[in-house]
Amino acid sequence: DQQVKQNSPSLSVQEGRISILNCDYTNSMFDYFLWYKKYPAEGPTFLISISSIKDKNEDGRFTVFLNKSAKHLSLHIVPSQPGDSAVYFCAASEVVGGGADGLTFGKGTHLIIQP
Amino acid sequence: NAGVTQTPKFRVLKTGQSMTLLCAQDMNHEYMYWYRQDPGMGLRLIHYSVGEGTTAKGEVPDGYNVSRLKKQNFLLGLESAAPSQTSVYFCASSYRKFRARHFGDGTRLSIL
Repeated sequence: DQQVKQNSPSLSVQEGRISILNCDYTNSMFDYFLWYKKYPAEGPTFLISISSIKDKNEDGRFTVFLNKSAKHLSLHIVPSQPGDSAVYFCAASEVVGGGADGLTFGKGTHLIIQP
Repeated sequence: NAGVTQTPKFRVLKTGQSMTLLCAQDMNHEYMYWYRQDPGMGLRLIHYSVGEGTTAKGEVPDGYNVSRLKKQNFLLGLESAAPSQTSVYFCASSYRKFRARHFGDGTRLSIL
């Protein structure tokens, strides 16, 4: 039972355009969401997060949107740069009632920025 | 500013051999985690610890043991390695369970 789903294994975007990575979740108790970025041969690094009390959080070129009714969040990268080519993981947690491990990851989307 | 350091970075084992993966963090984090990443499977939690002297099972704990004798270290052991344990292993730590986790660069383990 996959509670966090990233349905696109890969996504190709032209440099300078907008990249939109999507994530769906099934557990309505999730109330905190994070995005991680991973380069080959490195560990994932935290990118941006959003609490369920918000519907948008912005940090430079990165914006995360949360649609609680649709149980959907998306990460927008504008403009896309070659260094953005990486695997992006969506993760979700249940702050109040969740287990001690606290975080459920999606399987990742490989973003490829074309020159 | 080391963050989370994993040792070794790469290892090849024969089936049945044992080994220990070491994770060290210098951020005074209470929570530490071991994940494995396999193609198409994302990150799966093996074991975790909520403080010195504590450990708990994650999603895929079978075949692994862990110990957290010191707050800064979290060890992952394979007592009798199997080919199914060929994977990339990531250690992570966090100040609190719902804060962003800091990951090491991984250990690539191959079991023949």
